[in-house]
Amino acid sequence: DTAVSQTPKYLVTQMGNDKSIKCEQNLGHDTMYWYKQDSKKFLKIMFSYNNKELIINETVPNRFSPKSPDKAHLNLHINSLELGDSAVYFCASSQDLMQPQHFGDGTRLSIL
Amino acid sequence: RKEVEQDPGPFNVPEGATVAFNCTYSNSASQSFFWYRQDCRKEPKLLMSVYSSGNEDGRFTAQLNRASQYISLLIRDSKLSDSATYLCVVRGSSASKIIFGSGTRLSIRP
Repeated sequence: DTAVSQTPKYLVTQMGNDKSIKCEQNLGHDTMYWYKQDSKKFLKIMFSYNNKELIINETVPNRFSPKSPDKAHLNLHINSLELGDSAVYFCASSQDLMQPQHFGDGTRLSIL
Repeated sequence: RKEVEQDPGPFNVPEGATVAFNCTYSNSASQSFFWYRQDCRKEPKLLMSVYSSGNEDGRFTAQLNRASQYISLLIRDSKLSDSATYLCVVRGSSASKIIFGSGTRLSIRP
């Protein structure tokens, strides 16, 4: 059974569009995260939610808006996509803030 | 100085060799440490947590040196399947501080 699942796996779209990536975890974890991994493979945290509350909000353009309808889901909506948004976006979850994280298998976003 | 630094490699070693690499961190208040591995075009996967007293899991040994502010990973009797990028993760005293290193590429040759 998939522990952390995110959809879609691939997303190819044009500049200026709005898109969403969904993430769900069935591990019963309290904390969920979104990461961005760019072409240089550097993995950087974007957001973290703990029990549906936003606790980490790194310096990310406000075109990116996370939404957590419940603690098992953390979705990422991106407005007005730009070329620089092309990357792999990983969702992750952990039991709490200090425990290791389990990652989804990534969403490869390509902006044309 | 970067908050978390790793030698990017690549480390190219023969099967059966022992290989070790370090990860340095700048924040002395950092509280927890992990090693992850990431295969090409895959997600990071937890390899092991790093405890103050050092810990071992099979062929893998992780150590923490708080005085010099680095963690290390030692792989004994390396296998072809150990080829991957190894990422260190440092978590700070506040929830907002989660830093991934840029990774060390390891390639095991037959």
